[in-house]
Amino acid sequence: LAKTTQPISMDSYEGQEVNITCSHNNIATNDYITWYQQFPSQGPRFIIQGYKTKVTNDGASLFIPADRKSSTLSLPRVSLSDTAVYYCLVGLESGTYKYIFGTGTRLKVLA
Amino acid sequence: ETGVTQTPRHLVMGMTNKKSLKCEQHLGHNAMYWYKQSAKKPLELMFVYSLEERVENNSVPSRFSPECPNSSHLFLHLHTLQPEDSALYLCASSPGTSGGNEQFFGPGTRLTVL
Repeated sequence: LAKTTQPISMDSYEGQEVNITCSHNNIATNDYITWYQQFPSQGPRFIIQGYKTKVTNDGASLFIPADRKSSTLSLPRVSLSDTAVYYCLVGLESGTYKYIFGTGTRLKVLA
Repeated sequence: ETGVTQTPRHLVMGMTNKKSLKCEQHLGHNAMYWYKQSAKKPLELMFVYSLEERVENNSVPSRFSPECPNSSHLFLHLHTLQPEDSALYLCASSPGTSGGNEQFFGPGTRLTVL
């Protein structure tokens, strides 16, 4: 049973706001929600992490509703360089040290 | 630059060769990881080391042999690989192994097995 569900792909245009939603119905009380970005042939890069409500940093915001069963990564005014795969991670697989990266969301930003 | 370096960046080897991948982290972290990423597939965790002790081995074939001589260095020794082992091999480190720890990834080694 997958811990997270997110759209396989999304297209957007430069300058638009992009929202990627991740479902995690079985999130545990002590699980954090973490988002990574990966460009082709590179390692993933940490974007943002949160536990509840809203978290904002330089390039992104993370919205988490009260029930924590989903989260939304918001990228304001995307550019072509934001074209990448975005992964939503929730906690560790039970009894292991493993994060489940899943297939991620492939975001394509068009000119 | 994430503070995690990997060498070599590219490697081509035959099925009978023996080679090693090297990872070094300059972040003072206690945990290090090896991941495999095949084309169009999710990252697969291979091994986890915490304080130089292997704490996770995800049913990885014995032709992959990890080594962690100290908390800053991690190796992946390769021998008698198969063409299907061709992939991007990523090393990562984190302050600890508990959930919520940010993982810092290296640039990866692109391995091609002929």
